[in-house]
Amino acid sequence: AQRVTQPEKLLSVFKGAPVELKCNYSYSGSPELFWYVQYSRQRLQLLLRHISRESIKGFTADLNKGETSFHLKKPFAQEEDSAMYYCALTGGTSYGKLTFGQGTILTVHP
Amino acid sequence: KAGVTQTPRYLIKTRGQQVTLSCSPISGHRSVSWYQQTPGQGLQFLFEYFSETQRNKGNFPGRFSGRQFSNSRSEMNVSTLELGDSALYLCASSLARGPAYEQYFGPGTRLTVT
Repeated sequence: AQRVTQPEKLLSVFKGAPVELKCNYSYSGSPELFWYVQYSRQRLQLLLRHISRESIKGFTADLNKGETSFHLKKPFAQEEDSAMYYCALTGGTSYGKLTFGQGTILTVHP
Repeated sequence: KAGVTQTPRYLIKTRGQQVTLSCSPISGHRSVSWYQQTPGQGLQFLFEYFSETQRNKGNFPGRFSGRQFSNSRSEMNVSTLELGDSALYLCASSLARGPAYEQYFGPGTRLTVT
């Protein structure tokens, strides 16, 4: 069975502070990991994915297979980063099936 | 390019009734997935359709069903509605199957069962 765990429901930081949103997963094969974000009154959208190894809006995430983690990091948080963040995985033949974590609400205070 | 559209946006039904929700994917997208979002369970996968065939199904009872048409538009149906079916139902489309293909989400249909 595949599972994604985001241990923090809420995370508050001040503008300019580093932020790390934690994500741990359980999967028996080689997973593909994603971070999705939902800003207030907007649709759920892809932020970044492990296979692209890119940095989006200053965010990065590294897949650590030993620790089965895919934490999202940003060195200097901005107020516009306040949103709900979901970690998700897919793999094997279940390409169209995303398994999501419970989400973390990030609030960046001025 | 128009995004994923879902109709209706809001729906109120009574226990025991059935409901059909519609999803129009982005033009050219052939894969459509459905998710249920609730405060308690979060986002849960319902099913995925590609080329009019169901490719994956989540752990939901048989009351939940879906289909995809030749133009890639998809519908999901819930029969014999229960109070617990109240949720936001999200549809997502992607160009094709595979992790390299981003899933684009629609705004959702808010279903309330009374």
